[in-house]
Amino acid sequence: NAGVMQNPRHLVRRRGQEARLRCSPMKGHSHVYWYRQLPEEGLKFMVYLQKENIIDESGMPKERFSAEFPKEGPSILRIQQVVRGDSAAYFCASSPLNGLAGPRADEQFFGPGTRLTVL
Amino acid sequence: QKEVEQDPGPLSVPEGAIVSLNCTYSNSAFQYFMWYRQYSRKGPELLMYTYSSGNKEDGRFTAQVDKSSKYISLFIRDSQPSDSATYLCAMSRNTGNQFYFGTGTSLTVIP
Repeated sequence: NAGVMQNPRHLVRRRGQEARLRCSPMKGHSHVYWYRQLPEEGLKFMVYLQKENIIDESGMPKERFSAEFPKEGPSILRIQQVVRGDSAAYFCASSPLNGLAGPRADEQFFGPGTRLTVL
Repeated sequence: QKEVEQDPGPLSVPEGAIVSLNCTYSNSAFQYFMWYRQYSRKGPELLMYTYSSGNKEDGRFTAQVDKSSKYISLFIRDSQPSDSATYLCAMSRNTGNQFYFGTGTSLTVIP
């Protein structure tokens, strides 16, 4: 069973360009979380999605950032008109949340991350 | 005030030592507590997952949660050089909620 996959692993963009980060959850997982990790900081929640539905986007910047998780294909985190402050590692996690009761139902499995550098 | 506080270290110990890592938090609604290990340039991997107060042991790792003090700990016995990594605490209010992470503690185990 392959783990969470993210691509690209490294992405370089110039200011003003668009960045698209992809996340394929573990097989059988229908819940995806995106986190951002800045140097010397912890992981910060951005958005939580189910297939075709945004559940919680309270951590997303109001402008330039968007996320989707279509019925088919990977989840996409899109950053328009990137700025230097967007340089960070972006991690995706997936969870089964299969309706089972108990504390392991929402265990989040992380991908290797995409490291975005904005020049 | 951050919701989760964690001393960033760095922490350096000799091989075989007992390591104690800690986090404090401010939100009494947190019920689920996790410890993740993150190697350099890699994604976090789950080490321990506990619900509410109490202890949980898994091999050389022991997680403790004290909800009355809003304090969680991870103990590593007989530490190994392969334990050298950044350890992140995380917590959530309920299933399906976002995780709140500490900043991570960098640990180096010296052979």
